[in-house]
Amino acid sequence: DTAVSQTPKYLVTQMGNDKSIKCEQNLGHDTMYWYKQDSKKFLKIMFSYNNKELIINETVPNRFSPKSPDKAHLNLHINSLELGDSAVYFCASSQVSGEVFFGEGSRLTVL
Amino acid sequence: AQSVTQLGSHVSVSEGALVLLRCNYSSSVPPYLFWYVQYPNQGLQLLLKYTSAATLVKGINGFEAEFKKSETSFHLTKPSAHMSDAAEYFCAVSEGGAQKLVFGQGTRLTINP
Repeated sequence: DTAVSQTPKYLVTQMGNDKSIKCEQNLGHDTMYWYKQDSKKFLKIMFSYNNKELIINETVPNRFSPKSPDKAHLNLHINSLELGDSAVYFCASSQVSGEVFFGEGSRLTVL
Repeated sequence: AQSVTQLGSHVSVSEGALVLLRCNYSSSVPPYLFWYVQYPNQGLQLLLKYTSAATLVKGINGFEAEFKKSETSFHLTKPSAHMSDAAEYFCAVSEGGAQKLVFGQGTRLTINP
């Protein structure tokens, strides 16, 4: 059983399109995150949700909109995709102050 | 603000040799420190973490790291490298828990046969 699962694993799309990435965790964690890894492998937090409430928003453009329908799910919707949005997006989850478990990533390529 | 610097974007060692990956941090409060490993096309896996208990932390796969407050360092070591250790390694810091991890730029470890 995969602890943190993301879909799709790969997305290839044109500039200007809208796309979504879905994330589910079956660990019973209260906190979920989105991290972005750029082409140089640099990882940076984008958002954090605790019990469906947004607690961290790291000055991400408002074209990015996370949505947490319940504690086990955190989806990421991206409007009007730009070339610079090409990256690997990682979903993660944890209990408060606990180990952070990462999904396998979703590689987004914007053409 | 917290930050992490990993010295050396690429480290290459021979199989059986000592692995040393360097990490220095900056934090205004006692930090929590982590090492993660990322294998190609996979997510990150926690190797070990320091949370203000013992300064020498043992992790999975034979890795360990020592927290040195005076040097603001948290270097990762393994006595004998194995081919399966080839991966990208990330040091990270958080202030009081895992709510926000700040990562270093990563070190790619290559193992030569």
